[in-house]
Amino acid sequence: DAGVTQSPTHLIKTRGQQVTLRCSPKSGHDTVSWYQQALGQGPQFIFQYYEEEERQRGNFPDRFSGHQFPNYSSELNVNALLLGDSALYLCASSSLSNTGELFFGEGSRLTVL
Amino acid sequence: EDQVTQSPEALRLQEGESSSLNCSYTVSGLRGLFWYRQDPGKGPEFLFTLYSAGEEKEKERLKATLTKKESFLHITAPKPEDSATYLCAVQAGGSSASKIIFGSGTRLSIRP
Repeated sequence: DAGVTQSPTHLIKTRGQQVTLRCSPKSGHDTVSWYQQALGQGPQFIFQYYEEEERQRGNFPDRFSGHQFPNYSSELNVNALLLGDSALYLCASSSLSNTGELFFGEGSRLTVL
Repeated sequence: EDQVTQSPEALRLQEGESSSLNCSYTVSGLRGLFWYRQDPGKGPEFLFTLYSAGEEKEKERLKATLTKKESFLHITAPKPEDSATYLCAVQAGGSSASKIIFGSGTRLSIRP
């Protein structure tokens, strides 16, 4: 049973560029959440997707956007990258009936130069 | 505003030395409190869910407890492989759509 998979694992971008991160949820899960984790900090909630719609959003600017596809996979897009966007981006999947038990991927480490 | 505070930030123990990690929370109606373990370079791994004050959950050397304002993760006779960052998280409100908010974590190091 495949768990949550994320790609790419590492990437380097320069300020002002755009990035797309991808996530495939655990089999049987229909809800995907994205988190940003800075070094030494806990994960910060970005947004949650269910049935291809954004259901909840954290305190992140509109530069952060997402999408969920019919097969439940998801993308996180960040435009106009800033140095402060450097972080580990975590995707977590869950079932709608138990959204508190999150299954995380290994993350995508983004470095903005 | 919903908030989760964990203490201490870091804890170094000798193998076999029991201790507790603290998670204080402020939420508008607790739907669930969760503990996760995170190893370096990995995503968090789910450990426990607690729903109401007085509830306790156990797994190997770990035991999580919950009161109306805080949760404790007790570690009994820890081993070096228990070294990790332990994250506390809460879900507030009456909907399963409510977001999960994490604390900053406690970095636990167990020396052999």
